[in-house]
Amino acid sequence: ETGVTQTPRHLVMGMTNKKSLKCEQHLGHNAMYWYKQSAKKPLELMFVYNFKEQTENNSVPSRFSPECPNSSHLFLHLHTLQPEDSALYLCASRPTGIDEQFFGPGTRLTVL
Amino acid sequence: QKEVEQNSGPLSVPEGAIASLNCTYSDRGSQSFFWYRQYSGKSPELIMFIYSNGDKEDGRFTAQLNKASQYVSLLIRDSQPSDSATYLCAVSPNSGYALNFGKGTSLLVTP
Repeated sequence: ETGVTQTPRHLVMGMTNKKSLKCEQHLGHNAMYWYKQSAKKPLELMFVYNFKEQTENNSVPSRFSPECPNSSHLFLHLHTLQPEDSALYLCASRPTGIDEQFFGPGTRLTVL
Repeated sequence: QKEVEQNSGPLSVPEGAIASLNCTYSDRGSQSFFWYRQYSGKSPELIMFIYSNGDKEDGRFTAQLNKASQYVSLLIRDSQPSDSATYLCAVSPNSGYALNFGKGTSLLVTP
């Protein structure tokens, strides 16, 4: 357990659905990240937030919409996804001044 | 494009042997290097980090960094079946930047 939690752990959705993934940490970390992990591919960075401000959007399609209301919470809003978006979505957080990132357990997403 | 390369494996070693995992990276400006372990169906877990050239030891794990050759490795001594997992190499160009991950090397330790 790293102290980073993600809900739900598993999600199955149709292409027309709207759903949200949630990430939470109460470790005092100020940077939070969304990654996508597909089979046979490296971890892909999606979004980075530092002190609630988005500092990086790694050319992610607009059907993925992040939200960071405070330094402890990070959301990923999903709408009109495609089957190829099925993957493990990982949240990570990082303390200020330290490079190490700590991952949550992930959400296994299946798009039908 | 900043790339991190790893042999996907699987790397199979007998129990008690030394497992050697290798990683090369393309960005010469990289400064921080990490090894994560990921069990099947689980999220990555940080096991080692190294910033300076040379070796860094932590228990059965040794990370080795050679910036001139753009090469980082992880040695696992006295390998155990519980070490069977995918090992991800990650590289950060500067403090605070996001990590670039390799595809990972699958390690299988056989009893």
